[in-house]
Amino acid sequence: QKEVEQNSGPLSVPEGAIASLNCTYSDRGSQSFFWYRQYSGKSPELIMSIYSNGDKEDGRFTAQLNKASQYVSLLIRDSQPSDSATYLCAVSGNTPLVFGKGTRLSVIA
Amino acid sequence: GAGVSQTPSNKVTEKGKYVELRCDPISGHTALYWYRQSLGQGPEFLIYFQGTGAADDSGLPNDRFFAVRPEGSVSTLKIQRTERGDSAVYLCASSPGTREGVTQYFGPGTRLTVL
Repeated sequence: QKEVEQNSGPLSVPEGAIASLNCTYSDRGSQSFFWYRQYSGKSPELIMSIYSNGDKEDGRFTAQLNKASQYVSLLIRDSQPSDSATYLCAVSGNTPLVFGKGTRLSVIA
Repeated sequence: GAGVSQTPSNKVTEKGKYVELRCDPISGHTALYWYRQSLGQGPEFLIYFQGTGAADDSGLPNDRFFAVRPEGSVSTLKIQRTERGDSAVYLCASSPGTREGVTQYFGPGTRLTVL
């Protein structure tokens, strides 16, 4: 059974700090990796996708992928209170998306 | 443009009743997905359509759950003989095709409560 593991948190960081969110996955055949942000009571919103090993940067967000270690991470620089949400890691590989349980991030002003 | 829409936003029903949940995908999106999200969990895949046909229904938990997409656009998720364990947020997503890595766009969800 394909699994995606995340620390449920909560992860608390002060405003302006770097938040680091981690995810591991079980299926070595996985090819596509996504980070979704979900505010309380709202639907998931895609913030980053990554498909090859290494780093991918988009504004304050950096996704990192290491397929050998089956590990994906998301770094949020200059964290803002508005970044407080649950971050969902999702993985696919010619299969439907498999989501982790999410990590709850709290950015303290 | 308009995003994925879902109706109703909330549905309260009694155990044993039948419910229908509707999803209207982004115009032109050929793929449509249904997920279920319980409190404190990530979305769990149920079924997806490519056009009118169900391409993968391996996530449907049992035969009380059924979904259709007769014209390749709007989809309806149908749950018979509802149970309290069916209470969750039902999310619909759509994408412009099903190639590997395509982005799925989620609707606001329907919160189903079975009393």
